[in-house]
Amino acid sequence: TQLLEQSPQFLSIQEGENLTVYCNSSSVFSSLQWYRQEPGEGPVLLVTVVTGGEVKKLKRLTFQFGDARKDSSLHITAAQPGDTGLYLCAGRGAAGNKLTFGGGTRVLVKP
Amino acid sequence: NAGVTQTPKFQVLKTGQSMTLQCAQDMNHEYMSWYRQDPGMGLRLIHYSVGAGITDQGEVPNGYNVSRSTTEDFPLRLLSAAPSQTSVYFCASSPRLVSGANVLTFGAGSRLTVL
Repeated sequence: TQLLEQSPQFLSIQEGENLTVYCNSSSVFSSLQWYRQEPGEGPVLLVTVVTGGEVKKLKRLTFQFGDARKDSSLHITAAQPGDTGLYLCAGRGAAGNKLTFGGGTRVLVKP
Repeated sequence: NAGVTQTPKFQVLKTGQSMTLQCAQDMNHEYMSWYRQDPGMGLRLIHYSVGAGITDQGEVPNGYNVSRSTTEDFPLRLLSAAPSQTSVYFCASSPRLVSGANVLTFGAGSRLTVL
């Protein structure tokens, strides 16, 4: 079983501050996805990274896939209350037919 | 498009009762899956299907059965509910899952409490 560990589990910051969420594993993933989930809803995909060392930007969100394809990070610049939610990373193994999720990081951005 | 529809949204069961969580998608997706979400444990895969007539086990399949008689529907059955099955259940689908770029579309979830 491929395990993904996310840290921190919970993050509370003030509006305008920056934050970084980490997703780590001892296993290699063929691709890694980041989802955001709001209360009472299912997760919604933010980004997919495929290549080791890849960096993708989505407005104020920056996603990086580690060179060895074992870890990833999500950095939010100048966080806003609308960024509040549960952030989940999910990795796809070599077989391709299963997606393994991390435990999630709950982010609270206070106005 | 409705996307992925799950019913019921909430359910309370007594230990030993059986029930079926329904999942339907109208996107002609080949791949469908069931996850359970528990605090601090993210989403854990219960069962998945890569097409009609084909199902396979995920990480935590014990206590759950599935079938895939049509492309659209993927029901999850609890034959004898236990308190350990108290959780939020999510159904998700994708055109396929062998491509790294494919996106899982999730339903809104079904909250199950077993007393």
